[in-house]
Amino acid sequence: GAVVSQHPSWVICKSGTSVKIECRSLDFQATTMFWYRQFPKQSLMLMATSNEGSKATYEQGVEKDKFLINHASLTLSTLTVTSAHPEDSSFYICSARVNNQPQHFGDGTRLSIL
Amino acid sequence: EDKVVQSPLSLVVHEGDTVTLNCSYEVTNFRSLLWYKQEKKAPTFLFMLTSSGIEKKSGRLSSILDKKELFSILNITATQTGDSAVYLCAVEGAGAGNMLTFGGGTRLMVKP
Repeated sequence: GAVVSQHPSWVICKSGTSVKIECRSLDFQATTMFWYRQFPKQSLMLMATSNEGSKATYEQGVEKDKFLINHASLTLSTLTVTSAHPEDSSFYICSARVNNQPQHFGDGTRLSIL
Repeated sequence: EDKVVQSPLSLVVHEGDTVTLNCSYEVTNFRSLLWYKQEKKAPTFLFMLTSSGIEKKSGRLSSILDKKELFSILNITATQTGDSAVYLCAVEGAGAGNMLTFGGGTRLMVKP
């Protein structure tokens, strides 16, 4: 149980492109989903917290117009990196949880902007 | 601001050794402490600890929490090469969204 699917797993695209990453909870309905960013050999940094049907809560320093989060249902959240540039290249990971259970993570999306 | 510090930063052992990983924390309105294992992809859940002094065990892995001294340890006995990974400790406070604050991780390498 508690499977979180993230898609795509790897994206390479040109500078200026917008990229959408999907996060789905496959066998449970997630009350909250989280988006993290991880640089090489560093720990996970929370970008935003997302509750179904409401606006995401962004962490300090994260541009909400740059990283658009949509949480349309209890099983799907999307992160769109708008007008991506090379400095946006990173490993993006989502997680999902229901009530007070542990967060379960997707497999991550490696984003490379050329 | 919530803070999680893990030690050591990295560790190299041989198969069969026992290792202890440390996690100390400062958090407002503590709710839980979690341990995750991260190999090449995203973290996989190991343990969730909410009460002091109660050991959680799963095979060769065990963990315990001390809420008075604000730390937790993760023990791995009879290590195997498959235990090589980054082990992440995270704490959850009772703030908005019940977010997790992660430590920097301990990189464990188990040599044959």
